[in-house]
Amino acid sequence: DADVTQTPRNRITKTGKRIMLECSQTKGHDRMYWYRQDPGLGLRLIYYSFDVKDINKGEISDGYSVSRQAQAKFSLSLESAIPNQTALYFCATSDLRDSRRTGELFFGEGSRLTVL
Amino acid sequence: AQKVTQAQTEISVVEKEDVTLDCVYETRDTTYYLFWYKQPPSGELVFLIRRNSFDEQNEISGRYSWNFQKSTSSFNFTITASQVVDSAVYFCALSGVGGSQGNLIFGKGTKLSVKP
Repeated sequence: DADVTQTPRNRITKTGKRIMLECSQTKGHDRMYWYRQDPGLGLRLIYYSFDVKDINKGEISDGYSVSRQAQAKFSLSLESAIPNQTALYFCATSDLRDSRRTGELFFGEGSRLTVL
Repeated sequence: AQKVTQAQTEISVVEKEDVTLDCVYETRDTTYYLFWYKQPPSGELVFLIRRNSFDEQNEISGRYSWNFQKSTSSFNFTITASQVVDSAVYFCALSGVGGSQGNLIFGKGTKLSVKP
């Protein structure tokens, strides 16, 4: 089983609908992230969380919200989806306690979202 | 501001050729981390290497090698004797330390196609 699991893996929805992408991890990491990937643009950070009580905006947070329900769960919501939010979304975790892997991100398999 | 530039959008080579993927970065931090990730056609993100800004030693791992030069703010990636399985999108990324660890700034990626 994957250490970082994203659901759903694929979703097609309509403009104006509320969408939630969920991420759970079994790695025991404190930090969790949501990135968005668009063709030709690389990955961009949407939100990140250092722990359950700490949520921070990333580079492109407008139109998104997140919830850190537990150390292992980090959800991304699109309150009212629009077509330019069509993208591949990645959840990731990192572990500050392991100095050998400082800064290394462990990614989920991605959630492909299409907004019509 | 931090920035990562991968000027090569797409590269196509024939199997067994050597290929170098360029990465140039900008940061005002004196301490930072550089990364390379691979995204094969299946879509997952695979960690390849992390380099601390204080460690300018080049690294070799099998057919992969990395050349880090602070003087030119470059962190280039070379694949020797390329294989079809090397076909993927490769991302270079940069992060700070401390609170910004894990907040990776990605380049736009270089798509490498290795033809038999």
